[in-house]
Amino acid sequence: GDSVTQMEGPVTLSEEAFLTINCTYTATGYPSLFWYVQYPGEGLQLLLKATKADDKGSNKGFEATYRKETTSFHLEKGSVQVSDSAVYFCALSERGGADGLTFGKGTHLIIQP
Amino acid sequence: NAGVTQTPKFQVLKTGQSMTLQCAQDMNHEYMSWYRQDPGMGLRLIHYSVGAGITDQGEVPNGYNVSRSTTEDFPLRLLSAAPSQTSVYFCASQGGWSEKLFFGSGTQLSVL
Repeated sequence: GDSVTQMEGPVTLSEEAFLTINCTYTATGYPSLFWYVQYPGEGLQLLLKATKADDKGSNKGFEATYRKETTSFHLEKGSVQVSDSAVYFCALSERGGADGLTFGKGTHLIIQP
Repeated sequence: NAGVTQTPKFQVLKTGQSMTLQCAQDMNHEYMSWYRQDPGMGLRLIHYSVGAGITDQGEVPNGYNVSRSTTEDFPLRLLSAAPSQTSVYFCASQGGWSEKLFFGSGTQLSVL
């Protein structure tokens, strides 16, 4: 079945540092890929997505590129802020989400001032 | 526009009790789903629906029932609660193919 693997946390960085959170996936077809973010006490919110190979999703300074050859969708940001502290989830869907998403276990990001 | 509304926010049950977690969306979305979130496990799909009258099982359906009599509502029923069902439950809806999920704010359930 489908699966998503992302780096374990917590990841602790200083403000203005460069961020990379690794995500790799296993799927039988050509999935859509997503990054969701969860702030304390809240539900998940879509951060960015990519629906086909070589697409780059971007939002709020975060970027991720759909790499079919390495089955990866790594999240990057050039300069993180304290407000970026949250849990980040990589996810995929094979049928456009009609039968739900498969999520990774989440990466807790802590940004120190 | 309320989005996805879940009730209750918190619930404590005794083993063997039954209850229904409510989920309603006002965006006329066809796709709806239920997830549970456990520490170190991410979100796991319980049940999903692609439209009124159509439901199917996800990754961890045992102990849960769902129905979808209307487009707006997608309740999750625990028939006989067990301590293993202690978790945070999220309902989500989606407007169409590869569109983003809208999540409710979650229900924190404890089964003693």
